[in-house]
Amino acid sequence: SAVISQKPSRDICQRGTSLTIQCQVDSQVTMMFWYRQQPGQSLTLIATANQGSEATYESGFVIDKFPISRPNLTFSTLTVSNMSPEDSSIYLCSVPTGPNTEAFFGQGTRLTVV
Amino acid sequence: KNQVEQSPQSLIILEGKNCTLQCNYTVSPFSNLRWYKQDTGRGPVSLTIMTFSENTKSNGRYTATLDADTKQSSLHITASQLSDSASYICVVSEGGGFKTIFGAGTRLFVKA
Repeated sequence: SAVISQKPSRDICQRGTSLTIQCQVDSQVTMMFWYRQQPGQSLTLIATANQGSEATYESGFVIDKFPISRPNLTFSTLTVSNMSPEDSSIYLCSVPTGPNTEAFFGQGTRLTVV
Repeated sequence: KNQVEQSPQSLIILEGKNCTLQCNYTVSPFSNLRWYKQDTGRGPVSLTIMTFSENTKSNGRYTATLDADTKQSSLHITASQLSDSASYICVVSEGGGFKTIFGAGTRLFVKA
C-alpha cells in the first residue's frame, strides 16, 4: 500500500492568484497523477507527472495554467495559476501501485476561488 | 470512444437494506475494473479491483461482479449502514492498466 499526504486540505483564494498543492508519498513511485473533481462531477485527469521529465497533460489542460513539478520519486506539486471562480474544485493526487493493482489517492484539496 | 456509465445517479435506501449499483463500460482494450468509495470531502478509497478473468470479488459487505462479455459490473452492498452514505465510483483501466476512465458515480444515501 501507499500512504499519500496532500496539502493543503482546503483553501479559499482570491481570483488572479496562484495556489500550489503538494503531494508526498511514503514510497518511491514512477508515476503520479493529478485529478480535478468539479462540484457534483467525477474525477478528470489533469496530467501525469513523471520524475525526470515534463508532465503529460490531458486534452483541455495546459502547463501554463497547471504547472507541475516532480523533483523526486516521492513528491510532486500542482500549481493552479491565475485562478478564477471556475477553478473551484477538489484537486487530488494519485499513485498506482501497478497496472492491475489498486491506486491510492490523497485526501484531496478543496479549492474555492472568490 | 471509451466510456463508463453508472446507474442510478443517486439512490436512497433504509439502513439494513441491500442495494446494487450498476456500471456499464465500452473501454477497450480492457485491463481492469475498480470500484471506489468516496466520502464527501475525501479522496476515493478502493473497494475492489477485478481483471478480465475475475467474475466476483468481495470486500466485507461489498461484493463486485464483472461480466467481461457484456461489459457490465455491479457493486452489491449488503446490510447497509449509515456510514455507507457516499459516492461510489466505477473506474475502468485500458491498455497496460494505467490509463483510467472514471464513471460519474452513484450517490448513495442511507437513512435510519
